[in-house]
Amino acid sequence: NAGVMQNPRHLVRRRGQEARLRCSPMKGHSHVYWYRQLPEEGLKFMVYLQKENIIDESGMPKERFSAEFPKEGPSILRIQQVVRGDSAAYFCASSPAGTSNLQYFGPGTRLTVT
Amino acid sequence: ILNVEQSPQSLHVQEGDSTNFTCSFPSSNFYALHWYRWETAKSPEALFVMTLNGDEKKKGRISATLNTKEGYSYLYIKGSQPEDSATYLCALYSGAGSYQLTFGKGTKLSVIP
Repeated sequence: NAGVMQNPRHLVRRRGQEARLRCSPMKGHSHVYWYRQLPEEGLKFMVYLQKENIIDESGMPKERFSAEFPKEGPSILRIQQVVRGDSAAYFCASSPAGTSNLQYFGPGTRLTVT
Repeated sequence: ILNVEQSPQSLHVQEGDSTNFTCSFPSSNFYALHWYRWETAKSPEALFVMTLNGDEKKKGRISATLNTKEGYSYLYIKGSQPEDSATYLCALYSGAGSYQLTFGKGTKLSVIP
């Protein structure tokens, strides 16, 4: 019974490049959440998706960031034209139903922008 | 912006001691409270979700209580073991059209053998 999977685990990008982070939820889970942990800070909500729908993206920066959860395949968090301030750990979580249910976290992707 | 506060920020206890720590949140913005355990170099692990005032949940030696009227939850660990060393996070779900979980900064527990 595989848990939440994220890849890559570590990603290095130069300023201006694009970063694509992938998240495969637990089997049977159709709700996906992305969080960011900046250095010395706690987990911050970014976006909540269900299959083919963005439900709440109120935590996403307005520019350069986008997320999707297609009918088939993993959820993708995409960061265009990365800057040094995007360096952080990005965690994905999934749940079988909405936010009041416990969320199961993946191992995270650590993005470093050089 | 919701304020979820956890205290203490960190604590050290001896193996075998029992301990507890607090999560405070605005009582007017409550729908559910989550607790997670986060070991270094791993991902947060789900412990409890609590929704009702007076709720008490238990998982092994870890238990939690909830007071929604005064806006706090306690997490208790009975007979701490070195493997309990982790950061314990609480997170508030306020409902009201938002789907965000707002996390506290956590209490870092170190259990000394």
